[in-house]
Amino acid sequence: EIVLTQSPATVSLSPGERATLSCRASQTVSNYLAWYQQRPGQAPRLLIYDAVKRATGVPDRFTGSRSGTEYTLTISSLEPEDFAVYFCQHRWDWPPEFGQGTRLDIK
Amino acid sequence: EVQLLESGGGLVRPGGSLRLSCVGSGFSFKTFAMSWIRQTPGRGLEWVSTIGFNSGSTYFAESVKGRFTVSRDNSKDTVFLQMNDLRADDTALYFCAKNLATTRYFEYWGRGTPVTVSS
Repeated sequence: EIVLTQSPATVSLSPGERATLSCRASQTVSNYLAWYQQRPGQAPRLLIYDAVKRATGVPDRFTGSRSGTEYTLTISSLEPEDFAVYFCQHRWDWPPEFGQGTRLDIK
Repeated sequence: EVQLLESGGGLVRPGGSLRLSCVGSGFSFKTFAMSWIRQTPGRGLEWVSTIGFNSGSTYFAESVKGRFTVSRDNSKDTVFLQMNDLRADDTALYFCAKNLATTRYFEYWGRGTPVTVSS
């Protein structure tokens, strides 16, 4: 079973700042990693898939990248609606697994 | 606009059964795999099951294998999750999701239906 470890657990930033969220896989998942955003009381929303591809309708301030088994979601300039919980998920094999999430709070 | 609407959740005693339903609209339901994912504050997001577009393949998490079944009725744009022998640790908010193309990514999600297993 592949474990995805997200860091930090919580980060507090201000609108306009840059956010960098990390997801480390316990073994290779190649580029088969996605990022989701979950706002309070809402379902998760797919942001990034295959590590670097934006899903339909996702603003270009969201960027995914990969270095080895470390994956990064960068939000270039935070908008008020970006403060939410972010999850990573792999699809390398069965079962697909999620990370435990990073909460992005308003400072 | 893609919409997914789950129903069927509720309170059930340990050992009981529930059948969740999810109706999809705004896309060609019969051409996409569909999945169920659950969420709890303690365990986070947990994939539960996936069914192929034509019901030819089904997959389950180890934690539910042998107790849950998944099916779909493409004539009604509906996917079902039959949950038997429910346990306290099945308590969660259950989401249905449309898979992205032929992948194991979850492109669109419903708002979820809550399941509580308690005596």
